[in-house]
Amino acid sequence: KAGVTQTPRYLIKTRGQQVTLSCSPISGHRSVSWYQQTPGQGLQFLFEYFSETQRNKGNFPGRFSGRQFSNSRSEMNVSTLELGDSALYLCASSLDLVGTQYFGPGTRLLVL
Amino acid sequence: DQQVKQNSPSLSVQEGRISILNCDYTNSMFDYFLWYKKYPAEGPTFLISISSIKDKNEDGRFTVFLNKSAKHLSLHIVPSQPGDSAVYFCAASEGRGGGADGLTFGKGTHLIIQP
Repeated sequence: KAGVTQTPRYLIKTRGQQVTLSCSPISGHRSVSWYQQTPGQGLQFLFEYFSETQRNKGNFPGRFSGRQFSNSRSEMNVSTLELGDSALYLCASSLDLVGTQYFGPGTRLLVL
Repeated sequence: DQQVKQNSPSLSVQEGRISILNCDYTNSMFDYFLWYKKYPAEGPTFLISISSIKDKNEDGRFTVFLNKSAKHLSLHIVPSQPGDSAVYFCAASEGRGGGADGLTFGKGTHLIIQP
């Protein structure tokens, strides 16, 4: 079974731009969570989607948003990019809201 | 404040010996704990988990021990192999899955297995 895939793997943007990252979960998984990893803060929870609905949200500003489609694929969007948004963005999928989360390889975003 | 702490940024162990990675937590509502391994340029890989109703869970070379009174868990790898060299993350949640606040991760311990 294929794992979690994320596109693109690398991205360079400039301050003020917006970016959309994509995540395809493991086949059959209906829950998708997003995390941000930075050297200073480590891995931090952004939000979780299940059945096209945001179920939980971490402590991030409204510039960070996401959505989930009927095929469970998910996208996250960051608007008005700031230098501090440079990070590795990880997507994780699970069968349901109580299943083990399996991570994708991440998208490395660099904001200049 | 850090709710999940891994106080050793790095750990060096000889091949064939036991590796012990430690993790402490402060949130008494956490009742599900996981260990992930991460190689550079890859996402975290799930290793093993434990529910707070247990104090030990074993899977092959990996064993996780949970001491609820001390709010401490540890991951034992026996015997350690060169492929175990990676960064290990401890994670916790309220309830199975991510819970309302997702998984809360420690900062990681870089395990180096020396030949």
